[in-house]
Formats: sequence, C-alpha cells, structure tokens
Amino acid sequence: KAGVTQTPRYLIKTRGQQVTLSCSPISGHRSVSWYQQTPGQGLQFLFEYFSETQRNKGNFPGRFSGRQFSNSRSEMNVSTLELGDSALYLCASSLAQGVNTGELFFGEGSRLTVL
Amino acid sequence: QQQVKQSPQSLIVQKGGISIINCAYENTAFDYFPWYQQFPGKGPALLIAIRPDVSEKKEGRFTISFNKSAKQFSLHIMDSQPGDSATYFCAASRSSYKLIFGSGTRLLVRP
Repeated sequence: KAGVTQTPRYLIKTRGQQVTLSCSPISGHRSVSWYQQTPGQGLQFLFEYFSETQRNKGNFPGRFSGRQFSNSRSEMNVSTLELGDSALYLCASSLAQGVNTGELFFGEGSRLTVL
Repeated sequence: QQQVKQSPQSLIVQKGGISIINCAYENTAFDYFPWYQQFPGKGPALLIAIRPDVSEKKEGRFTISFNKSAKQFSLHIMDSQPGDSATYFCAASRSSYKLIFGSGTRLLVRP
C-alpha cells in the first residue's frame, strides 16, 4: 500500500510569492491534516479536512489555506510568502472512523525555503 | 492550556540502557496521547499511544507510563539500540486529529 505522497519535496520561493503544496493520502483514508515543522516552533497544526470539509483549524493567519478534493487529495496554499514561512510542511492522513482519534500517517513533507 | 511540555531536549544513552522522555500537559480534556518517532528526512511515525483510562501500555521495548492526576506521561525505551537514535515527539489531542506536539527530544544511542 503506497504511503502519503507529498509534492513537491523541495521548493524555493521569494517573499511575496505564493505556493501550492499537494498531498495524496493513503488509499481509503478520508482525513487529511497539515502540519508545519520548524526548528523554533516545532510541529504545529495547520488544518484538517474530512470529506472536502475543513473540520479543524490551527492558529495561522489567513494567508494559509487548504482544500480537499472528492478523491481525498488535498492541497494547501500560502499566499504572500514571508521569510518565516520557511519550514517543512507535513501532510498526514487517517482513516477517520467517526471523530475518534486514530493513527496519523505522515508523508515525508515539502520543504519550503523563502528567500 | 494547549501546551504540551517535553523534556529533555536531548538525551544520550549507551546501547542497552533505558531512555526516558517526559511530557506534561495542562488541558484535562485531552483524551489521546501518542508518541511519534522521526528520523532525519522523514515524516513522524506513530510509535505507541495511550488513552487516559490506562496507566501503562507496553509494545515491545517501548512503554508509555501515564499519570492522570499529575497530568504527565512518559516514554521508556528499554534496551536502547543505535537504531533508536531519532527525534521523539509526544503529543496530545482532544477527540480530533488536531495534535498538540511537544518540542521534541533528540535521542542518541551510543554503540
């Protein structure tokens, strides 16, 4: 069974640009979550989608947005990039049986560098 | 109240020794406490998890001890191996996939 696939793996952008990151969850998984990982702030929750609906949202500015498609694939977008947005962006999927917390399967992440 | 505090920041253990990582939380509504292991260049992977209705859970060399009254939980790695060298994160959540992660512990197991 293929794992969580994130693309691109690495990208470099300049301040003010926008970026779109893609995530393909494990087949059959309906919940997709996004996390930001930085050396200073650690792992921080961005948002979670289930059946194309945002179910939870973290404390990030509105420049960070996401969506989920009918096939459970998800994208996240960051607009007007700032230097502080440089991070590893991790996508995680889960079977999402009801609202019970279950195992999250993480991808290897998309490493964004903002210059 | 949403924080999970993790210690130590780094840990060096000899092969065969016991590695112990501690976490503390404030929000008594948390009902799921997983530990994740992350190797360089990889995403975190679930190691073991516990819910507050049990005080201990063991899977192989990995054990979670949970103290509900003290709002603390810890990971014990018995017979630590060089292959266990990684960064470990504790986390907590309240019936959702919104995990609140600790700051991480970088473990080095010396041969």
